[in-house]
Amino acid sequence: QKEVEQNSGPLSVPEGAIASLNCTYSDRGSQSFFWYRQYSGKSPELIMSIYSNGDKEDGRFTAQLNKASQYVSLLIRDSQPSDSATYLCAVNMLEDDKIIFGKGTRLHILP
Amino acid sequence: DAMVIQNPRYQVTQFGKPVTLSCSQTLNHNVMYWYQQKSSQAPKLLFHYYDKDFNNEADTPDNFQSRRPNTSFCFLDIRSPGLGDAAMYLCATSARQGPQEQYFGPGTRLTVT
Repeated sequence: QKEVEQNSGPLSVPEGAIASLNCTYSDRGSQSFFWYRQYSGKSPELIMSIYSNGDKEDGRFTAQLNKASQYVSLLIRDSQPSDSATYLCAVNMLEDDKIIFGKGTRLHILP
Repeated sequence: DAMVIQNPRYQVTQFGKPVTLSCSQTLNHNVMYWYQQKSSQAPKLLFHYYDKDFNNEADTPDNFQSRRPNTSFCFLDIRSPGLGDAAMYLCATSARQGPQEQYFGPGTRLTVT
């Protein structure tokens, strides 16, 4: 059973601090990794994709990938109340063309 | 702006009464997906199309059907909705087949009474 695991939270972070969201996956052959943000009652919105080991930065967001440890994370710097949402990790499965979503981590930024 | 559009945004149907949800896209993407998402759960893939090549997930109930009459449009038919089918239905697209970035429409919230 191919799995993508995330801590469901809620993760509470003070405004202005760094929020760190983590995701582990079971398929060692996975090559593509995505982070989506989903506000309550809304659809997921793609915020980051990462394909190679290391860090990828986009504005206040940094995705980190460690394929050896089967671990991908998302850092949000200078957290804002508008960052309060559920963050979904999605990973491709090597055997087919689909991606599998985790259940998401609820992030709450405290004003 | 290029986008993924879903109609209606909210749908109420009676137990057993067929319902059709629609999705259209102006991104000119080859691949379209239908997901079901229940509260606090991961989106669950129901179907996807690569062009008109239909792909059904093994655990998608027979009660769900899909049509893609052209590149821009895709429909989800629920033949006999049950209470357990109440969920958010998400349409997504990607440029080509494979583990690509997916772009979601706003979703249709289905209520079954």
